This record gives sequence, structure tokens and C-alpha cells, in this order.
Amino acid sequence: QSALTQPASVSGSPGQAITISCTGTTTDINDFNYVSWYQQHPGKAPKLMIFGVGNRPSGVSNRFSGSKSGNTASLTISGLQAEDEADYYCASYTPIRTLDVLFGGGTKLTVL
Amino acid sequence: EVQLVESGGGLVKPGGSLRLSCAASGFNFTNSDMTWVRQAPGKGLDWVSSIRSNSRYIYYADSVKGRFVISRDNAKNSLYLQMNGLRADDTAVYYCARQGVDYEFDYWGQGTPVTVSS
Repeated sequence: QSALTQPASVSGSPGQAITISCTGTTTDINDFNYVSWYQQHPGKAPKLMIFGVGNRPSGVSNRFSGSKSGNTASLTISGLQAEDEADYYCASYTPIRTLDVLFGGGTKLTVL
Repeated sequence: EVQLVESGGGLVKPGGSLRLSCAASGFNFTNSDMTWVRQAPGKGLDWVSSIRSNSRYIYYADSVKGRFVISRDNAKNSLYLQMNGLRADDTAVYYCARQGVDYEFDYWGQGTPVTVSS
């Protein structure tokens, strides 16, 4: 199955805002509001940051926000902090064949 | 406190088999959908398989279909992944995760490494 498409890397300075895009197709992101985002620091398990396109789990900073337009979802991190430097992955439900969820290829966020 | 603890990983020769286990605690496992996700060294997350709470609906990635079998024992709060016909490209850290109602993975284990090599 094809993964969702994310930029390989993004960067920003402390205090700035950055946006990571995640492009799918009409059979996943476009048709369903089941997009989630994960943060992963080196050697650690992923952590859920956004679910249902724009919902934050309890305990996740409100500097993290999610949105969707057509077949592209976006994760925005405002007021960048050093600890935000990590890999970020999007995921979406897909009803194709016997599949269930697709992941994006991941985006490395560097805080300059 | 929610805990997911994977076990069963290790070194196996190509063509061999392994059975991964995931012990769950701190949440209602019986009513939770569960998933296996893997991550090859230096690579991204790769969804492997999902099983609904009652085991009635099961899903596999194309890359593992016909070789891997996901199962669960709700009485033991445990999730399993039987991996047969292992190949070098199955080498990865395997995570179990709980799947929420919006298909999100809200709790993750620490992962168990699987290495397929002769």
C-alpha cells in the first residue's frame, strides 16, 4: 500500500511556528476525519499528539494543532521549543482492501 | 496506569518463525481494538496488523498477509503476533498499541526488536 506523503524535514527557530503537511488520497484523508499525528524522540516509542484531525489528547500542549483540507492534513507547532525536535508521523484510516491504517513516511523537525 | 509490555522478539534465521506477545494492563483490554506497528532500523513507522475487540475483524498490511497472524486472548489481557516465513525486511522493532475510536494509537508499548538474519 502507498504511504501518506510527508516532507522529509522541516526546521524552525525557537518561538517560531512550523507546519508539517501530510498528503493522502480521496480514499483516506479526504473522505474520513481519522487523521492522527505522532511525535517520536530517538530510541523512544511514538506518542500521540493529535487525533481525529484536530483533537489533542489530555496532557498535550496546546501549541500543537491539527487541521485538514481536502486530501491534505497539517500539523502546526507554535512557539517552537527545543524539546519539540523529533520525528513526526501522520496516520489515517483507510478502507482499502484489508488495510486499516496508513502512516506517512515521517518528518524530521529540527529546532535551530 | 496504562501499560503495554511486548516480549518474544529476538534473532531468527530467514524462513523462521517468532511469536510476539503484548501484555496489557490499566485499561479495559476486552473492549479495546489493538494493533501491531513496526519500525525498521532508521526507517519510519509501518502499520502491520489490527484486530478489533471481539476478534471478528482483522486487518493486515500487504507485506505480511499470509505470513503473520494476529490474535488476542481477552481473558489474559494479551495480544499476539505469530510471524512465519520471516524475511530480512521484517527486521524491525515491533510495537503493540491500543487503537482508539478515531483509529488513533493512544497507548504504545516500549517495543520488542526482531532481527532476521542468517
